[in-house]
Amino acid sequence: GAVVSQHPSWVICKSGTSVKIECRSLDFQATTMFWYRQFPKQSLMLMATSNEGSKATYEQGVEKDKFLINHASLTLSTLTVTSAHPEDSSFYICSASRTGKTEAFFGQGTRLTVV
Amino acid sequence: AQSVTQPDIHITVSEGASLELRCNYSYGATPYLFWYVQSPGQGLQLLLKYFSGDTLVQGIKGFEAEFKRSQSSFNLRKPSVHWSDAAEYFCAVGAVSSNTGKLIFGQGTTLQVKP
Repeated sequence: GAVVSQHPSWVICKSGTSVKIECRSLDFQATTMFWYRQFPKQSLMLMATSNEGSKATYEQGVEKDKFLINHASLTLSTLTVTSAHPEDSSFYICSASRTGKTEAFFGQGTRLTVV
Repeated sequence: AQSVTQPDIHITVSEGASLELRCNYSYGATPYLFWYVQSPGQGLQLLLKYFSGDTLVQGIKGFEAEFKRSQSSFNLRKPSVHWSDAAEYFCAVGAVSSNTGKLIFGQGTTLQVKP
C-alpha cells in the first residue's frame, strides 16, 4: 500500500510555456501533499505544502504565482510551472501523507527541462 | 533552527567492506528520522525509519541505523557493501508534533563502491 504516482516522469517544454505535473495517491487518501525541488547534485528543498481544499503554503523564496499548486481532491495534487524558464529546469518530487500521520510517501519524481 | 547535516559529501568504499554514513540533526521537537536512497534520475526509496522504541532500527537491503539522542545522530550502517549500493543517500527529519509528513533533508552523501 501507500503508493504515490507522479506524471509525467519527464517533460521538455519551451521557454515561456506552462507545464503541469500531477501527483496522485493511488491507494490512500492524502490530506497533505508536499512538493520538493531538487537541482542536480543537491538535496531536496521543500517548495510548498498543500492541504486538500485549501490554499497551499509556500516556503520562503518560492514564487506562488509561478508555481501554482492545486489540491482539489484527497488523491490528487497538481503543480503548474507557469511561464517556465531554463532556470526552472529541475527534478520535482511530491510526497503525500494521511491525516494525522507523519510518514509521507514519495512519488518517483518528474524531470523538467525547459529549452 | 531545524537542520540536518550529513558531514560526508562523498564516500568511497570497497565492495564487501562495511559502511557508515553519518547524520546529525538539530530539531527542537521530538524527531522522526528517515534514511532514503536515490539512484541517478530516480525518486526516493525509503531504507528505514525511526519513530520510537528500540533505537536500533533495521531496514531494507541489509541497512540499519541507530538513533542516539545524546549525540543528535542517526547514522546509517551496513556490514558489507554491494556494488549495487552505489547511490545518493539522504537523511531526513520530521516533527512528531507536526503530524503532516513534512521533512527536512540533509545535503546527501554520494556513495561510490570500488570493485
